[in-house]
Amino acid sequence: DAKTTQPNSMESNEEEPVHLPCNHSTISGTDYIHWYRQLPSQGPEYVIHGLTSNVNNRMASLAIAEDRKSSTLILHRATLRDAAVYYCILRDMNRDDKIIFGKGTRLHILP
Amino acid sequence: NAGVTQTPKFQVLKTGQSMTLQCAQDMNHNSMYWYRQDPGMGLRLIYYSASEGTTDKGEVPNGYNVSRLNKREFSLRLESAAPSQTSVYFCATGRDVGPQHFGDGTRLSIL
Repeated sequence: DAKTTQPNSMESNEEEPVHLPCNHSTISGTDYIHWYRQLPSQGPEYVIHGLTSNVNNRMASLAIAEDRKSSTLILHRATLRDAAVYYCILRDMNRDDKIIFGKGTRLHILP
Repeated sequence: NAGVTQTPKFQVLKTGQSMTLQCAQDMNHNSMYWYRQDPGMGLRLIYYSASEGTTDKGEVPNGYNVSRLNKREFSLRLESAAPSQTSVYFCATGRDVGPQHFGDGTRLSIL
């Protein structure tokens, strides 16, 4: 099964952009790249997802490498409320059981 | 709209007791999922249901049973609770490979 690799933790200053990397070198052609975040004592929250092209929404941007073996979640202007664990996961478009959350990246925002 | 509602929010059981965790959604999604999250870890899929009347095993199904009562409700049952099942349990819903929406979780302790 395709898996993802993320740094355990990252720090960023408030009001600066944050780039969260994710490696997925064994990604298959039918895998979507999803990002979720989990604030303390809450359930995960969807952030963004994509297949091949870069994606933007009100929360973040997703930059996908041309070979799809890596991706980067971009928070354009971090706030203290963005401090959370960020998960990069792969979802096979044909299989509902193939959903694997790793340990994610714990993002610390410095005021 | 409540989204995804989980009950109870907290529960303490003794080893060998049984209980059912309830999940209800008002998002009209076909797919529903049960995850567990151990301290400091990512989520692991227990069971999922792609549609009413169907259920399938995920990554860690042993010790659990599920029931998709109707489109709105998906319950998770522990027949004989064990301390290893102490965890936070999350229910989620989704449509195809789109975003999953999570409940607030049930914090379960087994003594």
